[in-house]
Amino acid sequence: KQEVTQIPAALSVPEGENLVLNCSFTDSAIYNLQWFRQDPGKGLTSLLLIQSSQREQTSGRLNASLDKSSGRSTLYIAASQPGDSATYLCAVSGTASKLTFGTGTRLQVTL
Amino acid sequence: DVKVTQSSRYLVKRTGEKVFLECVQDMDHENMFWYRQDPGLGLRLIYFSYDVKMKEKGDIPEGYSVSREKKERFSLILESASTNQTSMYLCASRNSPFRETVSNQPQHFGDGTRLSIL
Repeated sequence: KQEVTQIPAALSVPEGENLVLNCSFTDSAIYNLQWFRQDPGKGLTSLLLIQSSQREQTSGRLNASLDKSSGRSTLYIAASQPGDSATYLCAVSGTASKLTFGTGTRLQVTL
Repeated sequence: DVKVTQSSRYLVKRTGEKVFLECVQDMDHENMFWYRQDPGLGLRLIYFSYDVKMKEKGDIPEGYSVSREKKERFSLILESASTNQTSMYLCASRNSPFRETVSNQPQHFGDGTRLSIL
C-alpha cells in the first residue's frame, strides 16, 4: 500500500528566503506526482505535475523535482512571499487514477 | 480556467438523514472524483467516475454512493448519515480525452463542502 510522507509538518520562514519542501513515497511504481496548494478552508490548487519519466517541472518561482527510484520529490520555492503562506500537499498517482496524498506541510512566510 | 463548483460550502444534517452533495464542472472533463479530508488523515478517495454512468470505489466507499447521470455533474450520497461522516468533502475533475483510467492531466478541485452531522 502506497504511503506518502511530508516533512516537516510546519515551517516558518522570513520573506525572501528560498525554501524546500519534501515529499517521500514508499512505492516507486507511480504514474505521476502532483503538488498542490491549499489555503485555509479552501479546496486544492494544482501547482505542478511531474510525469514518472520526467525529473523536474518549473512554474514561475516554483520548481519540483522527482527521483522515482529513491521515492522522493522536492518543491523548491524561490524568494518566498507572504502570499505563499498555505499548506502544500503532494500526491502520487498509481494505477486506476487513485491519488494518494501526504498530510501536507503548513508554510508561513513572515514579513 | 477550470471551474469545479460544489453546491454548498457548509452543510449541517442530522444522523440518519440521506444527504446529497453536488459537484459540477464546466470543462467537459471525463473523470470526476470525491474525496474527504480529515485532520491527521489527509485526503482519502471515496469514489471516482471516469465517464458518464461509470463509477469505481476508492479507498473508503462504505456508507457512500455516487451518481453520474450527466458528464458535468457528479453527486455524492450519504445513504444514512452518521456522526463519523462529519468532514470536509472535496470534488475534483480531470481531462481524460481517451477515457483512460490513468492520466497525466492534473486534477482540479472545488472549494469543498464542510459537512457536520449532528
